[in-house]
Amino acid sequence: AQSVTQLDSQVPVFEEAPVELRCNYSSSVSVYLFWYVQYPNQGLQLLLKYLSGSTLVKGINGFEAEFNKSQTSFHLRKPSVHISDTAEYFCAVSDRSGTYKYIFGTGTRLKVLA
Amino acid sequence: DAGITQSPRHKVTETGTPVTLRCHQTENHRYMYWYRQDPGHGLRLIHYSYGVKDTDKGEVSDGYSVSRSKTEDFLLTLESATSSQTSVYFCAISAAGTGSGNTIYFGEGSWLTVV
Repeated sequence: AQSVTQLDSQVPVFEEAPVELRCNYSSSVSVYLFWYVQYPNQGLQLLLKYLSGSTLVKGINGFEAEFNKSQTSFHLRKPSVHISDTAEYFCAVSDRSGTYKYIFGTGTRLKVLA
Repeated sequence: DAGITQSPRHKVTETGTPVTLRCHQTENHRYMYWYRQDPGHGLRLIHYSYGVKDTDKGEVSDGYSVSRSKTEDFLLTLESATSSQTSVYFCAISAAGTGSGNTIYFGEGSWLTVV
């Protein structure tokens, strides 16, 4: 079984500052990793995903994440945030074969301050 | 946007009544999922389906049942709704295992209030 831990429930950051949202996972098998964003009263949108290959993954809106197998982490970063990045961010993991269940973390609420 | 339609989008129901939420997809994806979203808990998997008539339980399946009689439809039923089932319910689909991608796509959500 897989599990996901997002250590920070809320992250306040000033506009144009860098941000890192942390995600750690646990799994006994190889996994795929994802970050999703949710704006108020909307569904979830895919930001980026790691399936294989380069451990540095670039996504939409200037976000990127790095897969670290030894630390079982997949932290999300952005060098300079905007007010419009205020949203909730979810990390998710799925096994590579078999059940294809997607397990999500509890989310991190990013609040960008002017 | 992935072709996923959830209905109803909003519903208020009384404790003890049965409720069915419908998810309809136009993508012909094999996998379909029902999640609930609650503050502090993120998204938790209720049930999922890996084909017509093939379903399995997720993390929080008690009090819920599902059915999938057609590829495009996945129904979530609360047999006897309780206040603890007040939540936002999301349907999701995935083409996992087909080689065409493993991304999971979400519907817009169904807000359910049990009074």
